[in-house]
Amino acid sequence: GQSLEQPSEVTAVEGAIVQINCTYQTSGFYGLSWYQQHDGGAPTFLSYNALDGLEETGRFSSFLSRSDSYGYLLLQELQMKDSASYFCAVRKDGYALNFGKGTSLLVTP
Amino acid sequence: NAGVTQTPKFRVLKTGQSMTLLCAQDMNHEYMYWYRQDPGMGLRLIHYSVGEGTTAKGEVPDGYNVSRLKKQNFLLGLESAAPSQTSVYFCASSFSRLAGVPDTQYFGPGTRLTVL
Repeated sequence: GQSLEQPSEVTAVEGAIVQINCTYQTSGFYGLSWYQQHDGGAPTFLSYNALDGLEETGRFSSFLSRSDSYGYLLLQELQMKDSASYFCAVRKDGYALNFGKGTSLLVTP
Repeated sequence: NAGVTQTPKFRVLKTGQSMTLLCAQDMNHEYMYWYRQDPGMGLRLIHYSVGEGTTAKGEVPDGYNVSRLKKQNFLLGLESAAPSQTSVYFCASSFSRLAGVPDTQYFGPGTRLTVL
């Protein structure tokens, strides 16, 4: 089977840095993706890691350790608009994604 | 480009009624997906398609059927709706299936379905 674990809620202050962790168990693994979803909106792609290491995209970075079955999303210089749900997702074969249950991030002034 | 569109945006059904949700994409993507999202459950894959004329079961396929008669359209059908199918349904599409290449899925705005 497959499972992904991520914290259900995280709160951080505007301007701070926050890290959202994701651990996974899967029978097949092609890569780890991160998606953002604002309330009432559609998920949107943020980042993807197929190999170990850090991927940086502006204020957002994502890290993967395949040997530890672990990854994280790092959000820097938090802004109020970053308040949203963040999902990690494992690409287990050539096609489908298996999503975690999501982390609700609240950014406070 | 409109990206991924879904019809309808909202729908209320009575138990036992049937309906079809339509997803359309104009990005020439090969792969299309149907997910449902329930509070605290994240996104769960219902069915997916890797090309015109092909479909496959996802994590929670029971009670749903799909068809991909045209590359740009992916239909999700509920033959006999049940209250347990009350959910938000998202369609998505993607292009790449190569290992190591970002498999960006583009999502539609969602259909909010209530079954009474």
